Amino acid sequence: AQRVTQPEKLLSVFKGAPVELKCNYSYSGSPELFWYVQYSRQRLQLLLRHISRESIKGFTADLNKGETSFHLKKPFAQEEDSAMYYCALSGSRDDKIIFGKGTRLHILP
Amino acid sequence: DTGVSQDPRHKITKRGQNVTFRCDPISEHNRLYWYRQTLGQGPEFLTYFQNEAQLEKSRLLSDRFSAERPKGSFSTLEIQRTEQGDSAMYLCASSLRGKTEAFFGQGTRLTVV
Repeated sequence: AQRVTQPEKLLSVFKGAPVELKCNYSYSGSPELFWYVQYSRQRLQLLLRHISRESIKGFTADLNKGETSFHLKKPFAQEEDSAMYYCALSGSRDDKIIFGKGTRLHILP
Repeated sequence: DTGVSQDPRHKITKRGQNVTFRCDPISEHNRLYWYRQTLGQGPEFLTYFQNEAQLEKSRLLSDRFSAERPKGSFSTLEIQRTEQGDSAMYLCASSLRGKTEAFFGQGTRLTVV
């Protein structure tokens, strides 16, 4: 069965410190992995996807198939990074997208 | 605003009543998804469409829930005989087939009293 696990409900990090949001997944094939973000009073939006191998707003995420993980990282946290972050998985380009329960990132001044 | 729009934004209903929500996707998007989100949880998949065809419906969805996308454009989600446990945010998203980035609406918050 497809499953996305985000072990931390809340992560508090000081401004300027590194950030790592954990995501583990369960899928028998080769999934596509995503990170979505929801800022206060805004709609859910895509942050990045593993196939793009891009850095968005200083965030990167590497797909580790051996550990079935897709952790989100940023070297230096900024106050505007405070938001809800959801890891998501799609089985293929034609499959549904399922989400983890989310991690609230709180950047401390 | 050319994004995904949902109507209404808020709905309060009495237990046992029927409710219907509408979602208008981005015009060229052929995929449309419905999710439910409760406090402290991530979006929970309910169902999705490719044009007017309903491709999958979650096993968590009871028979009281039904969704349609009659002309492959807007979609409706109906909940019959609402229960207090149906209280949640109902999210709609759309995407282009083959491009799995989903664009979300702002959601409809349902409160069953």
